[in-house]
Amino acid sequence: RKEVEQDPGPFNVPEGATVAFNCTYSNSASQSFFWYRQDCRKEPKLLMSVYSSGNEDGRFTAQLNRASQYISLLIRDSKLSDSATYLCVVIPSSGNTPLVFGKGTRLSVIA
Amino acid sequence: NAGVTQTPKFRVLKTGQSMTLLCAQDMNHEYMYWYRQDPGMGLRLIHYSVGEGTTAKGEVPDGYNVSRLKKQNFLLGLESAAPSQTSVYFCASSLTDIAASSYNEQFFGPGTRLTVL
Repeated sequence: RKEVEQDPGPFNVPEGATVAFNCTYSNSASQSFFWYRQDCRKEPKLLMSVYSSGNEDGRFTAQLNRASQYISLLIRDSKLSDSATYLCVVIPSSGNTPLVFGKGTRLSVIA
Repeated sequence: NAGVTQTPKFRVLKTGQSMTLLCAQDMNHEYMYWYRQDPGMGLRLIHYSVGEGTTAKGEVPDGYNVSRLKKQNFLLGLESAAPSQTSVYFCASSLTDIAASSYNEQFFGPGTRLTVL
């Protein structure tokens, strides 16, 4: 099982739709979780951290399920500007890599 | 405050040529990283540094060398370029990599697009 796995998509949704992505991780001792966003031909940027209690930032909600070892990202009322690749990122508690990136899920919001 | 900058933005090499990619950050970050990103493979860590004068191997270090002589700079070298090293290279920096810290966000440079013929 790969360390961090995401559905690559693409997810094609109409404007205004609600869309959710999941990401599974294999290391049960992982401590920190994030969602990064990467626009086409641009660098990744932090979208939000994922806390154990879940967190919300406007239209975006991130949740962590430690028992099932996955994190999720929910986007409500999708905008055209939400079109991007969303990267799931995990900091394992051990190992020789500071962060582990998933391969990303591509979202296209269509007018 | 320029953040993280990378030089050059684009480069085409012939097999066997060498080159150095430069990454610079002005945020006084301790940690710096070099990644490569290929279609379908996601971001893969090449080498990283936890402070001036230190370097460590990441997931895919073969064929690359790095140096961190100054805190603000992290250099990635290709001694003998191969077509398999055609990729987009991203540099990143962070204040720390401690899991429980709120200061472990990685800030990325704009990337270098390298083609090896």
